[in-house]
Amino acid sequence: GNSVTQMEGPVTLSEEAFLTINCTYTATGYPSLFWYVQYPGEGLQLLLKATKADDKGSNKGFEATYRKETTSFHLEKGSVQVSDSAVYFCALEGGSEKLVFGKGTKLTVNP
Amino acid sequence: DAGITQSPRYKITETGRQVTLMCHQTWSHSYMFWYRQDLGHGLRLIYYSAAADITDKGEVPDGYVVSRSKTENFPLTLESATRSQTSVYFCASSGRGYHEQYFGPGTRLTVT
Repeated sequence: GNSVTQMEGPVTLSEEAFLTINCTYTATGYPSLFWYVQYPGEGLQLLLKATKADDKGSNKGFEATYRKETTSFHLEKGSVQVSDSAVYFCALEGGSEKLVFGKGTKLTVNP
Repeated sequence: DAGITQSPRYKITETGRQVTLMCHQTWSHSYMFWYRQDLGHGLRLIYYSAAADITDKGEVPDGYVVSRSKTENFPLTLESATRSQTSVYFCASSGRGYHEQYFGPGTRLTVT
């Protein structure tokens, strides 16, 4: 079945540091891939998405590229801010309208 | 207000009681979903619905009941609450063919 594996957290960075959160997936066919973000006490918000191989999703300085050859969708940001502190979830949708989520990676950015 | 709302936001109940969590969306999205979020498990799908009067089980449906008589509402009922159902519950919706889901703010349920 479909599954998502993302790097274990927590991740702690200083402000302006470079961020990478790894995400790999297992799926049949051509899934759509997503990154969601959850700020403390809130629901999940869609951060970015990619629907086919080599697509790059981007939003708020975050980027992720759909790599079919490595089955990966790593999240990157060049310079993190304190306000980026949150839990980040990688997810895939494999044609059934249902999302399969990774377990989440907690990011803390210190000033 | 437009969007997806959940009520109550916080609920404490006793073991064995019935409790219903409400979810309402104003987008007329076809699909609606219920998840629970637990430390170490991420989000797990409980039930989902493709349209009014169409529901199906997700990964962890035992102990839960859903209904969807109207497109905009998708209540989740715990018929006899157990301590293992203490969790944060999220409702989500998506438009047919759009794949991405939009989440409500969550309900934190504690079963004592």
